[in-house]
Amino acid sequence: QKEVEQNSGPLSVPEGAIASLNCTYSDRGSQSFFWYRQYSGKSPELIMFIYSNGDKEDGRFTAQLNKASQYVSLLIRDSQPSDSATYLCAVRVNQAGTALIFGKGTTLSVSS
Amino acid sequence: GAVVSQHPSWVICKSGTSVKIECRSLDFQATTMFWYRQFPKQSLMLMATSNEGSKATYEQGVEKDKFLINHASLTLSTLTVTSAHPEDSSFYICSARDSGRTYEQYFGPGTRLTVT
Repeated sequence: QKEVEQNSGPLSVPEGAIASLNCTYSDRGSQSFFWYRQYSGKSPELIMFIYSNGDKEDGRFTAQLNKASQYVSLLIRDSQPSDSATYLCAVRVNQAGTALIFGKGTTLSVSS
Repeated sequence: GAVVSQHPSWVICKSGTSVKIECRSLDFQATTMFWYRQFPKQSLMLMATSNEGSKATYEQGVEKDKFLINHASLTLSTLTVTSAHPEDSSFYICSARDSGRTYEQYFGPGTRLTVT
């Protein structure tokens, strides 16, 4: 059974702070890792994807991957109230084109 | 680019009736589409993988005779919920994989189904 685990939160941070979201996965053969943001009642939108160990930065977002520890994280710098949403970690195992396995999501609340 | 649409965006139906949801890739070809279901405060659960021109692959616990999937073209997949019951009320989301790229997968806006 392939699993993706996330702390459901809520994670509360003040505006301007760094929000750190964590995710672990069970299948060591997983190849692709994704972070999605989902606002209430809306479909998920892709924020970042990462395939290789290390850090990947895109604007205020940094994804970090450690395959040995089966751990992937998302850092949001200078958090804004508009970042308040549920963040879903998703994993795809080995084959391109196979479906994503989602974690249950972490709810982030950024207070102004 | 890479837009996926779903129709309808929301639907209310009576128990026992059938509802069809369409998922279209508007500006790319998608040999593979995925159907997810999301209950309130839960994560997305994969229901089935839809491949153009062949039978869909259903996840364990998903009744293929209840959730009919047809992927008749490279831009359209449909999900029909047959003999709907109130417990089928959920948010149904499709995603489409761009056949021209290896890893890109795009989500539709979702369909909110309420069965009364």
